[in-house]
Amino acid sequence: SQQGEEDPQALSIQEGENATMNCSYKTSINNLQWYRQNSGRGLVHLILIRSNEREKHSGRLRVTLDTSKKSSSLLITASRAADTASYFCATDPSDSGYSTLTFGKGTMLLVSP
Amino acid sequence: GAVVSQHPSWVICKSGTSVKIECRSLDFQATTMFWYRQFPKQSLMLMATSNEGSKATYEQGVEKDKFLINHASLTLSTLTVTSAHPEDSSFYICSARPRGFYNEQFFGPGTRLTVL
Repeated sequence: SQQGEEDPQALSIQEGENATMNCSYKTSINNLQWYRQNSGRGLVHLILIRSNEREKHSGRLRVTLDTSKKSSSLLITASRAADTASYFCATDPSDSGYSTLTFGKGTMLLVSP
Repeated sequence: GAVVSQHPSWVICKSGTSVKIECRSLDFQATTMFWYRQFPKQSLMLMATSNEGSKATYEQGVEKDKFLINHASLTLSTLTVTSAHPEDSSFYICSARPRGFYNEQFFGPGTRLTVL
């Protein structure tokens, strides 16, 4: 079953605007990861945030994690047309050496020039 | 570094035939490889996890006799879709976890399978 649920399902913005995507999950996690997928391509790992972290930055990306609400958000600032892609959150429940990822349904982001 | 390749990128086959998809870690040893399938505009669904030298662990609902996985070496895993049917048409993505990495997976570019 899908652990992560992203919203919105689709988001259309203009270049330069910020894009915020949210992810909710149901069970305890060790970490949560965000991935990007261009149409018909593989996944690119964007950022990993551990359960004891609340916020993490990487370039124009900002990820927050609220374990009490079992939710995470991905903010892309100053968006570019090249950011057009689908974005997935994936939860990793394991704190042992064996981890598997459960992906959410994804948010399709369209950034128009 | 941490590049994963898949071959072929796309394949079209007739119903009833078998198709093999390769997943290779090019610059690292992968103790664990994962196979996912993705239907159009949907998320990735984990099919199975394979550890080098041992049998794959399949997720509930995935037929192990239909989707044969072989993780023959630390750099190669193969997925064979046996007796393919049109409903097997999908995007198959593999990922690999390097030795010593517990949380990270590196994904291949995917293989689009179309069964006529």
